[in-house]
Amino acid sequence: SQQGEEDPQALSIQEGENATMNCSYKTSINNLQWYRQNSGRGLVHLILIRSNEREKHSGRLRVTLDTSKKSSSLLITASRAADTASYFCATDRSGNTPLVFGKGTRLSVIA
Amino acid sequence: NAGVTQTPKFQVLKTGQSMTLQCAQDMNHNSMYWYRQDPGMGLRLIYYSASEGTTDKGEVPNGYNVSRLNKREFSLRLESAAPSQTSVYFCASRGNWTDTQYFGPGTRLTVL
Repeated sequence: SQQGEEDPQALSIQEGENATMNCSYKTSINNLQWYRQNSGRGLVHLILIRSNEREKHSGRLRVTLDTSKKSSSLLITASRAADTASYFCATDRSGNTPLVFGKGTRLSVIA
Repeated sequence: NAGVTQTPKFQVLKTGQSMTLQCAQDMNHNSMYWYRQDPGMGLRLIYYSASEGTTDKGEVPNGYNVSRLNKREFSLRLESAAPSQTSVYFCASRGNWTDTQYFGPGTRLTVL
């Protein structure tokens, strides 16, 4: 069964606004990762946050992790039309087990 | 360096036909994975191979078989295709020293 659940399922914003997506999971994790999928393409890794980290930045991306609430959020600042895609969180329980993906958030950025 | 490649890109089968989806990676990764993606369902793991010579079932293995032919190649076989197997199939790999997965472009399969 899927470990992560993203919220919202779909999000539509204007270019220049910030987009926030949330992910909740059920069991303890080694790390949590966010992936992006453009329509009809494979997933691309965006950012990884380890269980002992609370916040991480990469360019316009900011990820937070709250292990006590078993939740994470992905913030995309100053969004662009090119950010339109589906975003998935994936949890890694240990280095030897496969990632478990959520159902994703579909982000539409309107120019 | 092509990363993860998959063939074919598209395939249409009739119920009961068989086929093999091919996946190869050129990153010397130990672990390889097969997922299926259905609308609104995210990615579900079918089978994975933690190293050459080993394979394990994932969340939805029924109706599928896999072969880890060598370190580079991991194939997925549908012995008798069913309409419920209509989906987009993704192969992925992960190295020993990285926690991230690298995905292929996908195979869009329709079973009539």
